Amino acid sequence: EVQLVQSGVEVKKPGESLRISCKTSGYYFAKYWISWVRQMPGKGLEWMGRIDPTDSYTNYGPSFQGLVTISVDKSTSTAFLQWSSLKASDTAMYYCARGGVGGGTYRAFDIWGQGTVVTVSS
Amino acid sequence: EIVLTQSPATLALSPGERATLSCRASQSVGIYLTWYQQKPGQAPRLLIYDASNRATGIPARFSGSGSGTDFTLTISSLQPEDFAVYYCQQRSEWLTFGGGTKVEVK
Repeated sequence: EVQLVQSGVEVKKPGESLRISCKTSGYYFAKYWISWVRQMPGKGLEWMGRIDPTDSYTNYGPSFQGLVTISVDKSTSTAFLQWSSLKASDTAMYYCARGGVGGGTYRAFDIWGQGTVVTVSS
Repeated sequence: EIVLTQSPATLALSPGERATLSCRASQSVGIYLTWYQQKPGQAPRLLIYDASNRATGIPARFSGSGSGTDFTLTISSLQPEDFAVYYCQQRSEWLTFGGGTKVEVK
């Protein structure tokens, strides 16, 4: 079974760093890009960026460029989303998703992680 | 950035009724339009990709149509489990999502 399993709830203070994870299984990790999607409380979905596990090439959405870092560890088939200095406005649910179907440069997200809640508060 | 506008914001219907959801793009996205369903407390689920292709395991009552700038998701006969929020997403230039349409029980 193809699965993306994300790390657990995080409660952090402003200015702290954080890395959350998305462990994949059930398929060849290098074959599909992994994206991260933000959902702020009560709001819609926002694409943050994606990574090609083959060579760690990344694209970031304009609103997230320079604010987060996406990476992978091929040895554990895991993708990561990282902040160096959190803000209260980073409070949200974060999903990883596999770009698995469809044509074009960006593929549709056919498998999603369960989400990681990040709360940033002093 | 391509902006996607979904309408209506909320759609109140009864089980068994037909639901028609619209997604309009600020510029052409070709056929690279995707639809997702999200229920409270759950991750989104892929319904339709490339405008009209149903994802694996998606019931035939869900259908997608359109190309260019105007797209439609149709649910032919609403089932109790279909009441949820639906998002469109364009994959032509970067990736952006629409604001969502909530389908609620009338």
